[in-house]
Amino acid sequence: GQQVMQIPQYQHVQEGEDFTTYCNSSTTLSNIQWYKQRPGGHPVFLIQLVKSGEVKKQKRLTFQFGEAKKNSSLHITATQTTDVGTYFCALSGGSNYKLTFGKGTLLTVNP
Amino acid sequence: EPEVTQTPSHQVTQMGQEVILRCVPISNHLYFYWYRQILGQKVEFLVSFYNNEISEKSEIFDDQFSVERPDGSNFTLKIRSTKLEDSAMYFCASSITRDEQYFGPGTRLTVT
Repeated sequence: GQQVMQIPQYQHVQEGEDFTTYCNSSTTLSNIQWYKQRPGGHPVFLIQLVKSGEVKKQKRLTFQFGEAKKNSSLHITATQTTDVGTYFCALSGGSNYKLTFGKGTLLTVNP
Repeated sequence: EPEVTQTPSHQVTQMGQEVILRCVPISNHLYFYWYRQILGQKVEFLVSFYNNEISEKSEIFDDQFSVERPDGSNFTLKIRSTKLEDSAMYFCASSITRDEQYFGPGTRLTVT
């Protein structure tokens, strides 16, 4: 089945710095979803991207889907301590839209 | 806001014992899932369930696993004879469309 590679595995930033995580695939993706998991918590849906070149914004978060639909990124502007957690990209596919997760990027923020 | 609930939050069991993990999906959702996450690793798909039957299962979901929706609300995952490597966080999720899945808080299973 389709897999996604997610980088970096870890990212430590000072509060106020920007953060970006990348998701890459060797095959064309029909869609990609992003989830956030706080430490000790459960995955929480952030967004779904479907269209080639799509860019969506949620406050300080910017999500992009590549033109070839083989990569995606999540960018956080001016990180805050509340942004701490693991950010996962995930593919929705199969007969009932099962999710295939990337390995995630753990973001820590130094206040 | 509706939530997926899971019980228990933590289950400790001895190797070889049977466990049942319980979930109450969001009431109007149609698709139900179980995932697991070994500590520090990614979330892995186990099984999806729709229209009262399994629609897809992963390689992890072997004969020791089973799922049921015994009534209109509960969705259970049974592990018949637990192994040490079954220790993980188990998440139930539900969805009404392909756009997003709602995850429960998880059950931490510890097999000793």
